[in-house]
Amino acid sequence: SAVISQKPSRDICQRGTSLTIQCQVDSQVTMMFWYRQQPGQSLTLIATANQGSEATYESGFVIDKFPISRPNLTFSTLTVSNMSPEDSSIYLCSGRWGRGTEAFFGQGTRLTVV
Amino acid sequence: GEDVEQSLFLSVREGDSSVINCTYTDSSSTYLYWYKQEPGAGLQLLTYIFSNMDMKQDQRLTVLLNKKDKHLSLRIADTQTGDSAIYFCAEGDTGKLIFGQGTTLQVKP
Repeated sequence: SAVISQKPSRDICQRGTSLTIQCQVDSQVTMMFWYRQQPGQSLTLIATANQGSEATYESGFVIDKFPISRPNLTFSTLTVSNMSPEDSSIYLCSGRWGRGTEAFFGQGTRLTVV
Repeated sequence: GEDVEQSLFLSVREGDSSVINCTYTDSSSTYLYWYKQEPGAGLQLLTYIFSNMDMKQDQRLTVLLNKKDKHLSLRIADTQTGDSAIYFCAEGDTGKLIFGQGTTLQVKP
């Protein structure tokens, strides 16, 4: 299995500011994803982080709001830009070795926007 | 599109068996997964089942798969208070996972 570390684990931010979340995997993974889990809800995919190219965003999520970087096979960042209270959620990073394999998750970043 | 449905809440007494049910729509999924989320924590993979299997047992956990009905269940034997958590079923071979809404399992002493 792979171990995924996320930083920060939690943060309280002022509206209008931005927060960058880091995701580090202890082994090379083919696929990396960013999910959002709003309070009391299930997980919704924000985007697939592509190594060396622009992320692939799901419907309802845009690059200007959630810019993503993935410089190599073990690291990715998600930025939540111009935050509002509606962005208060848990953000989870996930990695998979390939199609049809298990997905590993970080512990999540619990974001509160005030 | 792909969809995964779960019941939202289950309450059992300690020592009883718990059965969490899930239905899905994508019949092409190779694997189906069960994840556990404890309060304030990320997701932990509990178990998974390959689509050509009907059953998989792993210690206290038994997964049953009915491909015809697209129904997946997770049975936890001898449920303990430490099993209290949210359980998500998920499917997805092409990369992203599609999650159910999650079933909150409450274990009463």
